[in-house]
Amino acid sequence: NAGVMQNPRHLVRRRGQEARLRCSPMKGHSHVYWYRQLPEEGLKFMVYLQKENIIDESGMPKERFSAEFPKEGPSILRIQQVVRGDSAAYFCASSPTESNQPQHFGDGTRLSIL
Amino acid sequence: DQQVKQNSPSLSVQEGRISILNCDYTNSMFDYFLWYKKYPAEGPTFLISISSIKDKNEDGRFTVFLNKSAKHLSLHIVPSQPGDSAVYFCAASARVDSNYQLIWGAGTKLIIKP
Repeated sequence: NAGVMQNPRHLVRRRGQEARLRCSPMKGHSHVYWYRQLPEEGLKFMVYLQKENIIDESGMPKERFSAEFPKEGPSILRIQQVVRGDSAAYFCASSPTESNQPQHFGDGTRLSIL
Repeated sequence: DQQVKQNSPSLSVQEGRISILNCDYTNSMFDYFLWYKKYPAEGPTFLISISSIKDKNEDGRFTVFLNKSAKHLSLHIVPSQPGDSAVYFCAASARVDSNYQLIWGAGTKLIIKP
């Protein structure tokens, strides 16, 4: 998993607070994907971004969740007013192009809501 | 609506024997299939893939078979080694509008017994 960096690895928030998850893609990769994994479940696609553009956000909850991938800096997944059900592992992946090429994953951020 | 199903949550195999992990899908538009391996507290790692125009792809100890008529694919690992103990995810790719989207199964936990 070297290359895609996610931080923090663990994040604890109280209900109602905001959570910010960061992802730096592999060098040379301009396509970023965010996934959520709930316990005992597979990964669920959330959003696909290129630099400064959201390409596909069909998997994002309509409220409280947002994502960005600015021209400079990491991609950010932001969850406002967190609730218990937001507790999950959030994985970021990157790829060099928009294609069927395998995505490379970071080690995830484990979000726990108290 | 699970488009990609891994019906065995876990599988236990003796070291040195063959491990066979199965995956079924429902969407005939899927044209590319991937297997990922995941260790605890790490992100998924790409293992092997197969295009829908093929029925077999081999890479060392890993072989993926695709049966399009049955909408079924399998991953064979032979011989199985202790380091193969992990959760294996099957993923399928289809072009949705102008983007590729990966749909994931829930995973199968493989345990290799010494």
